[in-house]
Amino acid sequence: DADVTQTPRNRITKTGKRIMLECSQTKGHDRMYWYRQDPGLGLRLIYYSFDVKDINKGEISDGYSVSRQAQAKFSLSLESAIPNQTALYFCATSDLGGTEAFFGQGTRLTVV
Amino acid sequence: AQKITQTQPGMFVQEKEAVTLDCTYDTSDQSYGLFWYKQPSSGEMIFLIYQGSYDEQNATEGRYSLNFQKARKSANLVISASQLGDSAMYFCAMRPHYGGSQGNLIFGKGTKLSVKP
Repeated sequence: DADVTQTPRNRITKTGKRIMLECSQTKGHDRMYWYRQDPGLGLRLIYYSFDVKDINKGEISDGYSVSRQAQAKFSLSLESAIPNQTALYFCATSDLGGTEAFFGQGTRLTVV
Repeated sequence: AQKITQTQPGMFVQEKEAVTLDCTYDTSDQSYGLFWYKQPSSGEMIFLIYQGSYDEQNATEGRYSLNFQKARKSANLVISASQLGDSAMYFCAMRPHYGGSQGNLIFGKGTKLSVKP
């Protein structure tokens, strides 16, 4: 089993719909992140959480919300999806001072 | 502001030759980590190599080595003996160890490497 698991792997949704992307990890890390990847722009940070009670906005949080249900689970929601939220979304985990960040397999989201 | 710059949008290399992918970074932090990731066409992010800012030796992992020049703020990835399977996007990233964004990876825009047979 993967250390960081994202569901779904692919999703097509309609404009205006609410959608949730889920992430779970077995690394035991406190820190979890949601990134968005668009062609030519690299990965940009949406939200991050240092523990269950500590959630922070990243570079591009508008239009998104998150929930840290447990140390191992961090979900990303699009309250009302719009076409320019079509992208590849990654969840990641790390520990403080760690020398590696673990990424999930990614979720390809298409908003039509 | 902290920033990663990868100046090569695309690179070609002949199979079995070595290639260097450039990465420069901008930070006022003294303690940070530098990462390289590979993203094949399937989309996953594969960790390749890590270099800490206080590490005196350049990091190496198999065919990958990181040419770390702290004074120049550069962290170039060197791939030796390129293979067809090395064709992918490569991302350089930095993680500050302190401050409000500690632990957050900051990514460059990537370099697309194509290995020619």
